Amino acid sequence: QQPVQSPQAVILREGEDAVINCSSSKALYSVHWYRQKHGEAPVFLMILLKGGEQKGHDKISASFNEKKQQSSLYLTASQLSYSGTYFCGTEGGAGSYQLTFGKGTKLSVIP
Amino acid sequence: NAGVTQTPKFQVLKTGQSMTLQCAQDMNHEYMSWYRQDPGMGLRLIHYSVGAGITDQGEVPNGYNVSRSTTEDFPLRLLSAAPSQTSVYFCASSRTGKSGNTIYFGEGSWLTVV
Repeated sequence: QQPVQSPQAVILREGEDAVINCSSSKALYSVHWYRQKHGEAPVFLMILLKGGEQKGHDKISASFNEKKQQSSLYLTASQLSYSGTYFCGTEGGAGSYQLTFGKGTKLSVIP
Repeated sequence: NAGVTQTPKFQVLKTGQSMTLQCAQDMNHEYMSWYRQDPGMGLRLIHYSVGAGITDQGEVPNGYNVSRSTTEDFPLRLLSAAPSQTSVYFCASSRTGKSGNTIYFGEGSWLTVV
């Protein structure tokens, strides 16, 4: 089952914050977050494992609530370089070897 | 370190033709996979492999074949191309494919079937 991402698109001015959500209808073992710029391959951001952890580096962080089967990606003080499409990928079980991606959230940061 | 290398980058096929998308990784990763990406659909898993000699189907396997004779290579074969297979294809690899392991993507192959 494909996870649902929201919003589908968001426009920010430099310095503003954004939250991207990823929800699944089934139990999750891990959530992966990727960013993809137009015409390029997806680039890994972070993985969150079962256990309700929160991770972050620089001004991008994420949380994973396994009970709610949700993950959120937080982008603070956005920069022009943050523009792109963000995908969450979910894994239903340890060792499942199959990552199911959401349809993506297009983020545009303008000056 | 080349990472995951895909060829060709662009290809135009006629309906009914067959072709192979090549994928090679130099990171000694056990797990390799193929995804296709269509506008507004995200990435969908076609086939994957957990090691040499082992392959399995993903979400959208119809019309595609794979084989894994070596750890490094994981080619994707289109048996009889159809316009519905027009897409961007990404090969990916990770150390084990299990939770906690980063998946690395190749640069993509743009395929158009006319």
